[in-house]
Amino acid sequence: EPEVTQTPSHQVTQMGQEVILRCVPISNHLYFYWYRQILGQKVEFLVSFYNNEISEKSEIFDDQFSVERPDGSNFTLKIRSTKLEDSAMYFCASLNYRVGEQYFGPGTRLTVT
Amino acid sequence: EDQVTQSPEALRLQEGESSSLNCSYTVSGLRGLFWYRQDPGKGPEFLFTLYSAGEEKEKERLKATLTKKESFLHITAPKPEDSATYLCAWDTGGGNKLTFGTGTQLKVEL
Repeated sequence: EPEVTQTPSHQVTQMGQEVILRCVPISNHLYFYWYRQILGQKVEFLVSFYNNEISEKSEIFDDQFSVERPDGSNFTLKIRSTKLEDSAMYFCASLNYRVGEQYFGPGTRLTVT
Repeated sequence: EDQVTQSPEALRLQEGESSSLNCSYTVSGLRGLFWYRQDPGKGPEFLFTLYSAGEEKEKERLKATLTKKESFLHITAPKPEDSATYLCAWDTGGGNKLTFGTGTQLKVEL
């Protein structure tokens, strides 16, 4: 069964450093998303991506964040100059548009020290 | 203002003790109501999508229903492996971004 994969599973970085979180969406899906979940809180939408451009972004997704689909399989989230409050689980998701079902990856736990 | 409330926040059941989780909403332009299961430290696992009042979907011991004001996730004869947090989410616009509720943490004991 196809699934969304994410790497790394855990990333530790120092405040101010840049990180890139990687995702491989399900191969025939065209819509991709990033969400985050701070420990003990709700899953929050960050950004959606379609046809090589951002289709919608939340207030959280400021200039510190960027997304890219560098090739036909990967989808990345870059966080420049990380802050302590960026510590969270980051989930990638891809959409089966035909049935409207979003499938999530296992997440990357980002710890900023 | 769009609002979704999940209840209860936590639920403890004995194995075999059926119950229901609630997701009540006041959302304008609801395009879809979604149920996910989330295990600790894992990503949300898709369970169901409901689009219109009266719709019902089933999967093993789970059944999701939707009315104009709320959705229920019914769990019949639960087992310990059903223990997880169950999340309700909704889609109100183009692009299919999901907004999640706070979840119900379910614990099923032997």
